[in-house]
Amino acid sequence: EPEVTQTPSHQVTQMGQEVILRCVPISNHLYFYWYRQILGQKVEFLVSFYNNEISEKSEIFDDQFSVERPDGSNFTLKIRSTKLEDSAMYFCASRSGRGLGGYTFGSGTRLTVV
Amino acid sequence: DAKTTQPPSMDCAEGRAANLPCNHSTISGNEYVYWYRQIHSQGPQYIIHGLKNNETNEMASLIITEDRKSSTLILPHATLRDTAVYYCIALGAGNMLTFGGGTRLMVKP
Repeated sequence: EPEVTQTPSHQVTQMGQEVILRCVPISNHLYFYWYRQILGQKVEFLVSFYNNEISEKSEIFDDQFSVERPDGSNFTLKIRSTKLEDSAMYFCASRSGRGLGGYTFGSGTRLTVV
Repeated sequence: DAKTTQPPSMDCAEGRAANLPCNHSTISGNEYVYWYRQIHSQGPQYIIHGLKNNETNEMASLIITEDRKSSTLILPHATLRDTAVYYCIALGAGNMLTFGGGTRLMVKP
């Protein structure tokens, strides 16, 4: 069964450093997403991406966040200057866009900012 | 998208059917009912969705009331691996998937 692949599975970074979280969505999917989940809290939407541009973003997705699809396969989330409160699980998801099929989520990257 | 209400937690005996209720009394005609689950900090996993007819797949069955104001997700023979948080989401076409608190299902031996 096709999967969404995320790397790394765990990243530790110092406050103020830049991090890039990587995702390889399912190959024929057209819509891509990033969500995050702070420990013990709900899964929160960050951003959606379609046709090489951001289609929607939440208020969490401020200027320190950016997304990119640098080639035909990778979809990245960059956090420019990490803060302690950015520590969370970050999930990438993709969807084919045909009809109302479900989103397929990756297994996540645990980001720890120290 | 319409708000959904789920009990915060439920228990189920292994091998028995788990029936997870969801209330969505303000759902509009073009909103589907989706169910996802999250097993201990893994990524959410799509289970099933439906509009007004009952649906069944290899994972579960979805029963939607005739007035569409509530639904029930049925796991016919729950196993320990079904222990997870289950999310019921009312979603219109083109809208963003957003998660509430869900129901924490504990399957017990």
